[in-house]
Amino acid sequence: DTGVSQDPRHKITKRGQNVTFRCDPISEHNRLYWYRQTLGQGPEFLTYFQNEAQLEKSRLLSDRFSAERPKGSFSTLEIQRTEQGDSAMYLCASSLRQGREETQYFGPGTRLLVL
Amino acid sequence: GQQLNQSPQSMFIQEGEDVSMNCTSSSIFNTWLWYKQDPGEGPVLLIALYKAGELTSNGRLTAQFGITRKDSFLNISASIPSDVGIYFCAGQLGSGNTGKLIFGQGTTLQVKP
Repeated sequence: DTGVSQDPRHKITKRGQNVTFRCDPISEHNRLYWYRQTLGQGPEFLTYFQNEAQLEKSRLLSDRFSAERPKGSFSTLEIQRTEQGDSAMYLCASSLRQGREETQYFGPGTRLLVL
Repeated sequence: GQQLNQSPQSMFIQEGEDVSMNCTSSSIFNTWLWYKQDPGEGPVLLIALYKAGELTSNGRLTAQFGITRKDSFLNISASIPSDVGIYFCAGQLGSGNTGKLIFGQGTTLQVKP
């Protein structure tokens, strides 16, 4: 399978705990995005990487959130001191920008529930 | 911030009927994308549009990039039960280097056999 993969698919944690999610993009895609989706809404942009550089962060990304993409391959998204409001689906997408055209392909998501 | 207005919010149709949904924005987009999402899964790309006025088909799906670059529509012809799901439009501003997508609120489609 050469699609975007995410791990874990589901995570239940207690408030105050730290969690980390992983995303493996499509091979050779140089851009990787993280989005958050709450029930009944469309995904909202959190941050993105071009290769290993994190080029943009949304105001939604509080200080408790950190993302990395070492070596420009897989990426991790960590949430420290989780809060109930962090409960959501966290989606990863990757793309290969060619000229002005860029199409993002999404992974299956990680659903987080904070108790 | 930028917003996409997607309508209708939901549709309940009979199998075999055609479906139309659209997105409008106050901002100009360089790219419009349409995705379908099933419960508990990530969005799956249906159609990508890169040029104003572009009309693109993918099987029973047809989408158009509005000439003003502020709107797009998606048509599904002869709907079948497996078309059930949530359809999202997404726009990409393209200004600078950012490729982030801005999503509509989604259209929930239900098809009665």
